Amino acid sequence: KNEVEQSPQNLTAQEGEFITINCSYSVGISALHWLQQHPGGGIVSLFMLSSGKKKHGRLIATINIQEKHSSLHITASHPRDSAVYICAVRSWGGNQFYFGTGTSLTVIP
Amino acid sequence: DTGVSQNPRHKITKRGQNVTFRCDPISEHNRLYWYRQTLGQGPEFLTYFQNEAQLEKSRLLSDRFSAERPKGSFSTLEIQRTEQGDSAMYLCASSLGVNPYEQYFGPGTRLTVT
Repeated sequence: KNEVEQSPQNLTAQEGEFITINCSYSVGISALHWLQQHPGGGIVSLFMLSSGKKKHGRLIATINIQEKHSSLHITASHPRDSAVYICAVRSWGGNQFYFGTGTSLTVIP
Repeated sequence: DTGVSQNPRHKITKRGQNVTFRCDPISEHNRLYWYRQTLGQGPEFLTYFQNEAQLEKSRLLSDRFSAERPKGSFSTLEIQRTEQGDSAMYLCASSLGVNPYEQYFGPGTRLTVT
């Protein structure tokens, strides 16, 4: 069983739709990251969370430490949001990051 | 210095050959990580350096894999006697010790073993 589980694996949305990607983890963490990976492979860090909620433009990330769950929301989705979104956690006392398998998002014009 | 760089970006090699990848982290980042990512999967941790010291190695890192960071700046990842199963994207990331949670990723090196 993976330490980090994401859902859905694939998501297709119409431009303008509100999108939610979920992440559940099974280890105690010191931080959770949401990453964006484009087809060329480059990874960009979107958010780092240890509690609560963060917002950046049309992106919102929330985390519930007690439930070991995080969500990434995209409001007013746009085709340029099409990418793979990866959830990653850093466990307490370790230097390893555990990654989910990613959610492949396609936003259709 | 605008980010983490990796070279080469793509490498095609024949099975049995040795390959070496290079990662140049963001200046002054003391932590450097190597990951491997296969198609449709998230990155998997391979190894981690703090300055020149290699502090952790995943069990994924077989004896054919070796990583170095001799002066605490750039790092190399060498794969000896490559196998087809080594085909993957090899990602490097760096972070600053005072905030170890924020990793900055390089563009990756895509290895294809034929």
